[in-house]
Amino acid sequence: GDSVTQMEGPVTLSEEAFLTINCTYTATGYPSLFWYVQYPGEGLQLLLKATKADDKGSNKGFEATYRKETTSFHLEKGSVQVSDSAVYFCALDSGGGADGLTFGKGTHLIIQP
Amino acid sequence: DGGITQSPKYLFRKEGQNVTLSCEQNLNHDAMYWYRQDPGQGLRLIYYSQIVNDFQKGDIAEGYSVSREKKESFPLTVTSAQKNPTAFYLCASSGWGQGFGEQYFGPGTRLTVT
Repeated sequence: GDSVTQMEGPVTLSEEAFLTINCTYTATGYPSLFWYVQYPGEGLQLLLKATKADDKGSNKGFEATYRKETTSFHLEKGSVQVSDSAVYFCALDSGGGADGLTFGKGTHLIIQP
Repeated sequence: DGGITQSPKYLFRKEGQNVTLSCEQNLNHDAMYWYRQDPGQGLRLIYYSQIVNDFQKGDIAEGYSVSREKKESFPLTVTSAQKNPTAFYLCASSGWGQGFGEQYFGPGTRLTVT
C-alpha cells in the first residue's frame, strides 16, 4: 500500500537558518504530493502541492520539488522565522483524492530566536 | 467566511458511553473525511464520504460510525466498542474545483475518555 516517510523530529534550528525536512514516498501510479502545516492546537493547513514529476510547489518562502526518480518531496526554506515553528506533514494522494490522503507521521519544527 | 467547524473543541466522556463529534462545512464540498491524530502517529483515516447518503470505511473504522444525510454535515460517533478513543479528531472536506487532494481541515476536537 501507499506510505510516506518523514524525518524524525523534533528539528530545532536558529532563526534565519536553512531548513530541509525530508520526505519520501511509496505509491502506485503517479500520486499528487502535499505538505500540510499544523500550528499548536489547530487543524492542518495546506502549505504547498505538486501534481506531477518535476513540479515545484511553493508558498510563504517554502518550496518542494516532486522527484519521481528518488520518490521524494523534500521541504525547504532559505531563512526560517520563529513563526514557522509548527508540525509539518508530508502527504500523498494516489487515488484521485476523494478517498483520503496518506500522511507521514509529521515533523515537529522548533525555531529559536 | 467559508470553512469547516467542529464542535466542541474539548470533550470528556466516561468509558462505555457513545459520543458524537460534529463537523459542518459551508464550502459546498462534495467529499468529507474524518481523521484521527495520535502523538507520533500522523493522521489516520477513519471514514470518508464522497456524496450525500454514501460513505466508506477508512483504515481504522472499527468502533466508529458516521452518517451523511446533508452535504454540509458529517458527524462521527465514537462508540463504546472503540478500544482507545482518546485522541485528537480532525474533520476535512474537499471538492472538485481544486482537486480532492487539497483538503480543508477543521480546528479539531480533542476527546478524552476516562
